[in-house]
Amino acid sequence: EAGVAQSPRYKIIEKRQSVAFWCNPISGHATLYWYQQILGQGPKLLIQFQNNGVVDDSQLPKDRFSAERLKGVDSTLKIQPAKLEDSAVYLCASSITGDIYGYTFGSGTRLTVV
Amino acid sequence: AQTVTQSQPEMSVQEAETVTLSCTYDTSENNYYLFWYKQPPSRQMILVIRQEAYKQQNATENRFSVNFQKAAKSFSLKISDSQLGDTAMYFCAFSSRGDDMRFGAGTRLTVKP
Repeated sequence: EAGVAQSPRYKIIEKRQSVAFWCNPISGHATLYWYQQILGQGPKLLIQFQNNGVVDDSQLPKDRFSAERLKGVDSTLKIQPAKLEDSAVYLCASSITGDIYGYTFGSGTRLTVV
Repeated sequence: AQTVTQSQPEMSVQEAETVTLSCTYDTSENNYYLFWYKQPPSRQMILVIRQEAYKQQNATENRFSVNFQKAAKSFSLKISDSQLGDTAMYFCAFSSRGDDMRFGAGTRLTVKP
């Protein structure tokens, strides 16, 4: 079974620039999550999709962050404009809807804003 | 809101010895799920072990076992016969429905040869 794919693996941008991250979940996984993991902290949920609908985006800074999951498969997370405090690892995870056994995570994208 | 607390930012253990990582959580739910994830330098979160709150028996996966104390809201991870490959960040996580996972701040474990 192929895992959760994420790209790019690393990204360095200047503040006020824009950036986009891509995630391809495991085939058949209807639920997709984006987490932000700041250095030294645990992952924090940014947004949760079920198919192509948003389930929870209460912690997404909507003035600068946006995410979409067209066709209920791949997802893109965008930051525009980026701030220094956005430097973090952005993790994507997927699961079968209602699966109580945890998620499958990708390897993440490490973003550095300078 | 549910919170997860890991009070040990860093721990170390000698190879082949046993180490216990602590986790406490706060919830008003009666049924929920608890997890331990491992995050090596590759950054990928790997599920180590899970526990359903309605099960009284502590979960075990090979060298990994948990001590689940529901009344105390405690969920510690014991790693026996520690191996160099166990060096990683370990995160405790809580979920009330299975799709609303919240993580603690993590414990950095170093296994020394």
